[in-house]
Amino acid sequence: EADIYQTPRYLVIGTGKKITLECSQTMGHDKMYWYQQDPGMELHLIHYSYGVNSTEKGDLSSESTVSRIRTEHFPLTLESARPSHTSQYLCASSAPGTLEAFFGQGTRLTVV
Amino acid sequence: QQPVQSPQAVILREGEDAVINCSSSKALYSVHWYRQKHGEAPVFLMILLKGGEQKGHEKISASFNEKKQQSSLYLTASQLSYSGTYFCGTEIKTGANNLFFGTGTRLTVIP
Repeated sequence: EADIYQTPRYLVIGTGKKITLECSQTMGHDKMYWYQQDPGMELHLIHYSYGVNSTEKGDLSSESTVSRIRTEHFPLTLESARPSHTSQYLCASSAPGTLEAFFGQGTRLTVV
Repeated sequence: QQPVQSPQAVILREGEDAVINCSSSKALYSVHWYRQKHGEAPVFLMILLKGGEQKGHEKISASFNEKKQQSSLYLTASQLSYSGTYFCGTEIKTGANNLFFGTGTRLTVIP
C-alpha cells in the first residue's frame, strides 16, 4: 500500500478565498507531482518537484503555487479561488530512478 | 505531447477480451499503465521499458512497440473487477523526465 495522503478529500469554497491542499508521503520519495483531473478526463501535470526547494511548472498552466520545504510535504495553494478552479487535484510521488507514481486519494475542489 | 488512447470507452461481458491502444507522437523511453476506479486514485499496473517488451499482471498484459511509439494493453477473460478507466503514461525521450498521461479508456464489465 502506498503511503501518500491528501487532505481535505472534498472542499467547497467561495470565490476569492485562499486555499491550501495538503499532500504528504511517508515513503521518502524525492519526486512529487500535482495533477489536475476533470471528471472522466485525462490527468494534467500542473506542478512537480525533484526534492526539497525544487519546484517546477508542469504542462498545464495553473494559477496555483506549490512549495517543498520538507521531503514529505508538497502543499498546493490557490491565492484566490475561482469557479474555473473546480476540479480534482491528485498528488503523487515516485522513488528515485523510476517514474512509477503512487497517487493520493485526491481532493475534489468545488468553487462556488 | 499527451498520448492518444483508443477506444474511448468499451463495454464487455464477463469473460470477454479487450485491447486498449496508446499512441504517442514522440519517441518514448517507457510506457506505464494505470487503472483508476470511480472515485479512487489511479493505481499502477505495469511499466514497459524496452521496445518489444511484453509484461503481464494477472490476466492483463501489455506490449510496447518502440518504433511505432505505441503500446497496447490486453485484458483477457475480463472480470467485473477490471471495470475502471485505464490510462497510459508515456515517458518521452526529450524534455522533462515526467509522464504524460493519455486520454483514458473507460472499461465497463457487465455480468
